[in-house]
Amino acid sequence: GENVEQHPSTLSVQEGDSAVIKCTYSDSASNYFPWYKQELGKRPQLIIDIRSNVGEKKDQRIAVTLNKTAKHFSLHITETQPEDSAVYFCAVGGSNYQLIWGAGTKLIIKP
Amino acid sequence: DAGITQSPRHKVTETGTPVTLRCHQTENHRYMYWYRQDPGHGLRLIHYSYGVKDTDKGEVSDGYSVSRSKTEDFLLTLESATSSQTSVYFCAISGPGMMDGYTFGSGTRLTVV
Repeated sequence: GENVEQHPSTLSVQEGDSAVIKCTYSDSASNYFPWYKQELGKRPQLIIDIRSNVGEKKDQRIAVTLNKTAKHFSLHITETQPEDSAVYFCAVGGSNYQLIWGAGTKLIIKP
Repeated sequence: DAGITQSPRHKVTETGTPVTLRCHQTENHRYMYWYRQDPGHGLRLIHYSYGVKDTDKGEVSDGYSVSRSKTEDFLLTLESATSSQTSVYFCAISGPGMMDGYTFGSGTRLTVV
């Protein structure tokens, strides 16, 4: 079955700098790649997603890039702000019509 | 909020008792899911439903059962609660396709003592 690895598990960046979180997957038939943000004590919320026919997608300060050949995709956050502090989860959807989740990355924004 | 509510929000129960958690949606989505979230394990799928009375097991289904008698309601039952089932439980919905617009409920924090 699908296997999703997410790195790093914790990322600490200075406010204003960029943050990058990477996920790798194993099933080449996977075709849907969402990213979720979970603030402390809250529910996970979709922040951006990409499908396999697109290489990159942007929404203001966040972007997701997909490399289907290498089977990895990344979340990029530019000009980080304190409110970006959260746990970020990647997920992969594909042939079995379920989302398989990464273990999460705790992003810490240092003032 | 996002058309999905979970109840109760918090519950403390004793080992060996049955517990039922409720997920209610107003979006008329076909797909509903129950996850548990534990430190170091991320989100793990317990059971999911792809229609009324149509359910299937996820990766951690042992000790749990589900029922979906109406489109809007998806119930998760811990048949005989154990301390290892202490967790935060999230319901999610998606639609129109199975991976479209996954939306989570606010979660239920369950403590089994």
